Amino acid sequence: SFELTQPPSVSVSPGQTASITCSGDNMGDKFVCWYQQKPGQSPVLVIFRDTKRPSGIPERFYGSNSGNTATLTISGAQAMDEADYFCQAWAGDTVVFGGGTKLTVL
Amino acid sequence: EVQLLESGGGLVQPGGSLRLPCSASGFTFKSYVMTWVRQAPGRGLEWVSSISKSGDSTYYADSVRGRFTISRDNSKNTLYLVMDSLRPEDTAVYYCAKGVDGSWYPGSSDFGLLSDWGQGTLVSVSS
Repeated sequence: SFELTQPPSVSVSPGQTASITCSGDNMGDKFVCWYQQKPGQSPVLVIFRDTKRPSGIPERFYGSNSGNTATLTISGAQAMDEADYFCQAWAGDTVVFGGGTKLTVL
Repeated sequence: EVQLLESGGGLVQPGGSLRLPCSASGFTFKSYVMTWVRQAPGRGLEWVSSISKSGDSTYYADSVRGRFTISRDNSKNTLYLVMDSLRPEDTAVYYCAKGVDGSWYPGSSDFGLLSDWGQGTLVSVSS
């Protein structure tokens, strides 16, 4: 079955760039979404169609997808960006989420 | 403002059933794909099921196919998830989420896109 693999955790210093990867077979052939979830809150869509930001999502959030890896990049990370991030893609007639990455900003 | 309000969660014994409604407001409900996603305590997100705008197309995760049924009542702006033969591993917060209003089918660019989420309702399956 199709699986999406994310690193369990990523750390970044405030103001630096954080990159969160999401690996799966032929990822470049699929459209990827990314969701941010802060503790005790519902997920929020931050990237769709690999690279697009919904209205209200800061420009520091950037997505890319090529080959077998999609990447969420946060430029100039802020304390408010500390959260769990989940990638998502379709597989057949189902939807698959990655296991999630805890981003720590310290 | 989009609002999605799930209800119906609670404690149920293994083998039991539960129905989760999700009341929608702030958008034209009948024009959007809708989805259920769950999250077990301390775990990641798991897609459960999606339904087309008219309700004539439904899709399920393998883990729930044959036990769960998604449906919608566009006249009441309400999405439903009927869960039968519940198992302890079904214990999770269940989220209702709004999809897209455009072209939607397996493999389409926005098949999994979830633009807005409810606050979730907790389902606990235990004896």
